[in-house]
Amino acid sequence: AQSVTQLGSHVSVSEGALVLLRCNYSSSVPPYLFWYVQYPNQGLQLLLKYTSAATLVKGINGFEAEFKKSETSFHLTKPSAHMSDAAEYFCAVSDRVGSGNTGKLIFGQGTTLQVKP
Amino acid sequence: SAVISQKPSRDICQRGTSLTIQCQVDSQVTMMFWYRQQPGQSLTLIATANQGSEATYESGFVIDKFPISRPNLTFSTLTVSNMSPEDSSIYLCSVELGGEETQYFGPGTRLLVL
Repeated sequence: AQSVTQLGSHVSVSEGALVLLRCNYSSSVPPYLFWYVQYPNQGLQLLLKYTSAATLVKGINGFEAEFKKSETSFHLTKPSAHMSDAAEYFCAVSDRVGSGNTGKLIFGQGTTLQVKP
Repeated sequence: SAVISQKPSRDICQRGTSLTIQCQVDSQVTMMFWYRQQPGQSLTLIATANQGSEATYESGFVIDKFPISRPNLTFSTLTVSNMSPEDSSIYLCSVELGGEETQYFGPGTRLLVL
């Protein structure tokens, strides 16, 4: 069964600093992987996804993530944090691969990103 | 992407009552999902609702507690029945657009049960 682990429930960075949010997955098959962001009192917004194409995936708002099969990781990065990046970030893996749809998403516990001025 | 709306956006309810949450999407979709996000927690799938078939529930969720309707390709409802304070959560619907291999989420319904 697929699972996701996000290392660090809270990450604090200074404005302009590198953002690194860690995600490791467990899957018996090549996974579909996703990063979502949740701003206060809002739903989830898709940042980026990996579905077996390029291993370096670029998303919205300057975020990117690299799929590393050998490390079973899909860490999210952004070169320079902005105050507006403060939010909750969720990594997710799909439990269905190769059938053309995602099926059930299994989410990590989430990481709260704090950006200090 | 898709534009997804949910009603109500939030509600405060008394224990023992029921609340029906609506999810409307601006395009026809086959697969719709209902998730629960308990306070300070991650998201957990309640059920998958495909048009024309019965909803499929995840372990720990039952139809009597969370009945779901899916009358057409743009609409679904989730009812939280006989509520208790433990049902206080954010309930989110999501849809998957054909061929995109991606789920898009609605804004959520914030439920507080007293």
